[in-house]
Amino acid sequence: KQEVTQIPAALSVPEGENLVLNCSFTDSAIYNLQWFRQDPGKGLTSLLLIQSSQREQTSGRLNASLDKSSGRSTLYIAASQPGDSATYLCAPGHQAGTALIFGKGTTLSVSS
Amino acid sequence: NAGVMQNPRHLVRRRGQEARLRCSPMKGHSHVYWYRQLPEEGLKFMVYLQKENIIDESGMPKERFSAEFPKEGPSILRIQQVVRGDSAAYFCASSRGAQETQYFGPGTRLLVL
Repeated sequence: KQEVTQIPAALSVPEGENLVLNCSFTDSAIYNLQWFRQDPGKGLTSLLLIQSSQREQTSGRLNASLDKSSGRSTLYIAASQPGDSATYLCAPGHQAGTALIFGKGTTLSVSS
Repeated sequence: NAGVMQNPRHLVRRRGQEARLRCSPMKGHSHVYWYRQLPEEGLKFMVYLQKENIIDESGMPKERFSAEFPKEGPSILRIQQVVRGDSAAYFCASSRGAQETQYFGPGTRLLVL
């Protein structure tokens, strides 16, 4: 059974810092991995999708890497801004199915 | 292109009533997923449907919960005889094909009194 762990659970940084969010998963038989952002009381916004054959994906100030064999993914946020404050969720999809398995997320707070 | 639509956004029910949650996928998407987010917990997969078919319901409670995705109209998640433990945010996602990017709706927040 796939288990997803995200570290740290919470993170507070001043504006402008570069930061790394970590995600680990126990079953490396995945077809892709998505990173999402969730604002309080809102739905999920897809940030990046990495296919199992890829090593990383970039979108603006975001860069996500994937090391499938070791069961790890990281989300790198450059030059953080107060608008980045949200909960970030990692979700690998298992090869045997289509359901995404979510971690509990990292809650980020960026102060101005 | 409109995103995934869910309604209602908020739903209040008393114990024993029925809750009916609707999800309209993005245009061109025929795959729908339902997830539940209990307070202080992560999102959990419930059920995966394609048009008129349930493909995977391994995350769905065996009793009181059912889902459908008819040929015409939105997908429906139905909870019969709701209990307080059903209070949660229910999210729907859709994708163009299996194992493709899932796009999420804003969720329906169910409160059972």
